[in-house]
Amino acid sequence: AQTVTQSQPEMSVQEAETVTLSCTYDTSESNYYLFWYKQPPSRQMILVIRQEAYKQQNATENRFSVNFQKAAKSFSLKISDSQLGDTAMYFCAFVTGTASKLTFGTGTRLQVTL
Amino acid sequence: DTGVSQDPRHKITKRGQNVTFRCDPISEHNRLYWYRQTLGQGPEFLTYFQNEAQLEKSRLLSDRFSAERPKGSFSTLEIQRTEQGDSAMYLCASSPQGVGSLYGYTFGSGTRLTVV
Repeated sequence: AQTVTQSQPEMSVQEAETVTLSCTYDTSESNYYLFWYKQPPSRQMILVIRQEAYKQQNATENRFSVNFQKAAKSFSLKISDSQLGDTAMYFCAFVTGTASKLTFGTGTRLQVTL
Repeated sequence: DTGVSQDPRHKITKRGQNVTFRCDPISEHNRLYWYRQTLGQGPEFLTYFQNEAQLEKSRLLSDRFSAERPKGSFSTLEIQRTEQGDSAMYLCASSPQGVGSLYGYTFGSGTRLTVV
């Protein structure tokens, strides 16, 4: 079975600080893609960052970066210089090369405070 | 293109009634997905289409649920004889076929269903 575990239901960070959200996953396949999605309150889910499993280099998108540890099946998201607009639910997800559907974790609710 | 559109945004229905939701994907995307999201949980896969063909259905999709994509464009999700446990957000997403689908999906804003 393919699973995604996000062990932090809620997190809080002060504006301008850095926060790291954890994610672990389980799959027996070697070819897969990992994602972090952001779902602001009452708004649609948007893609934050993606990582190909075959790439060793960690993905970076502006203030967002990942720490991908393939052997440990870990895929954490680091948000630098947190902004109020980063307040949202964050979901870790992955899709394998042989499947078509994304498998999601249960999410981490991030609150950015002044 | 304005992205993935879902209609209605909210639906309140009485238990036992039938409801139908619509999803309009990005026009170039030939894959369309339906997910269900309950409060405090991540989205759970329901079904997906490639063009007009329904290629996979989750065990979550009971016989009261049916989805169609008749012309490979928009899709409908119907729930018959609704139950209170059907209350959830129903998300639609689309993606290109092939390698493009590995770049992630584009989601709609969802339809929030409340069964009273």
